[in-house]
Amino acid sequence: AQSVTQLGSHVSVSEGALVLLRCNYSSSVPPYLFWYVQYPNQGLQLLLKYTSAATLVKGINGFEAEFKKSETSFHLTKPSAHMSDAAEYFCAVSDGRGYGNKLVFGAGTILRVKS
Amino acid sequence: DAGITQSPRYKITETGRQVTLMCHQTWSHSYMFWYRQDLGHGLRLIYYSAAADITDKGEVPDGYVVSRSKTENFPLTLESATRSQTSVYFCASSTPMRAGTQYFGPGTRLLVL
Repeated sequence: AQSVTQLGSHVSVSEGALVLLRCNYSSSVPPYLFWYVQYPNQGLQLLLKYTSAATLVKGINGFEAEFKKSETSFHLTKPSAHMSDAAEYFCAVSDGRGYGNKLVFGAGTILRVKS
Repeated sequence: DAGITQSPRYKITETGRQVTLMCHQTWSHSYMFWYRQDLGHGLRLIYYSAAADITDKGEVPDGYVVSRSKTENFPLTLESATRSQTSVYFCASSTPMRAGTQYFGPGTRLLVL
């Protein structure tokens, strides 16, 4: 079975500071990994995904994530936080095959950006 | 391009009533999913569907029923609503061509009194 653990339900950073949101996964097969963002009262929007190509993945809005197999991690980073980055972020894992590429989500991390 | 829509966006109902949440997508994606979002749990899969007339249970299917007579529609029915079903419900769709990327609707906030 696959699972995702997001360390820290809330993360607070100052505007302009580094954003680091942590995600560790468990999977018995090579995983596909995703980061989604949810703004208040909206659905989830894909930020980026890893599908066994380059281990450093660049996404929208200046975010990137690095797949580290040895650490079973897929942490999300952004060099300089912006007020508009305040949202909830979800890490998700899929086995990339089989029935509809089902996603297993982490519990989410709420990012607060202070001015 | 309407994408994926859900209705109603907000619903208040009472314990024991039947409620149907609608989901419609315009992309002709073969796969569709229903999730519920609860604080501290992230999103949990209720049911999913690979095509019209093909559905299967997810992680938390008890108390829910789905159908998929047309590719574009995937309604979720709570047969007899309970307070524990108070949640935000999201519908999503995907296509095998997009390597697992799912596209989400705006959600339905359901309150069961």
